[in-house]
Amino acid sequence: GAVVSQHPSWVICKSGTSVKIECRSLDFQATTMFWYRQFPKQSLMLMATSNEGSKATYEQGVEKDKFLINHASLTLSTLTVTSAHPEDSSFYICSARGQGMNTGELFFGEGSRLTVL
Amino acid sequence: AQRVTQPEKLLSVFKGAPVELKCNYSYSGSPELFWYVQYSRQRLQLLLRHISRESIKGFTADLNKGETSFHLKKPFAQEEDSAMYYCALSPGGYQKVTFGTGTKLQVIP
Repeated sequence: GAVVSQHPSWVICKSGTSVKIECRSLDFQATTMFWYRQFPKQSLMLMATSNEGSKATYEQGVEKDKFLINHASLTLSTLTVTSAHPEDSSFYICSARGQGMNTGELFFGEGSRLTVL
Repeated sequence: AQRVTQPEKLLSVFKGAPVELKCNYSYSGSPELFWYVQYSRQRLQLLLRHISRESIKGFTADLNKGETSFHLKKPFAQEEDSAMYYCALSPGGYQKVTFGTGTKLQVIP
């Protein structure tokens, strides 16, 4: 099956610094990638939808200047948390939808745990 | 706008008992419905989709358009079924997939 890899799996950073998380589709081309936050014992919260070569579409309430998303190629999307603060600490997950694949079938990364001190 | 509702946050059943995880949706068109599962310390993965009408790991789900429901069922729960289950709706095309809030299934030995 299709594989999506996220890196890093976990990261600790100081308040005020920026952190980049990568999401790669390893064996397929991802026309669309989605970024989520998952709070402890809570559901997925969709942050943004990113289509290759175009600007990301952010969900209401998500600050686009805070969470920069880039989808420069069909196999890579990045999420940069800028000027991170402790409240940004969370589990970030990406998913990808491939070319020619069933539109609702998504392949998920393993997630990236961010801790901001 | 589409919405997916999973009314139960936690469902506890004994091993061997039947399981039904509820999912209701609202969408004006004809969506595709899915169930995703997240086992402990693993990534989310697709369990089944309504268009396939398949049974995966003993689970089935029937789309009821009249009741706008897509409940997940299994006649006899196993301990390894303990996981977080998410119902999801896709309008089709390149639109976003909407997830429910999830139901944690706990199978008691």
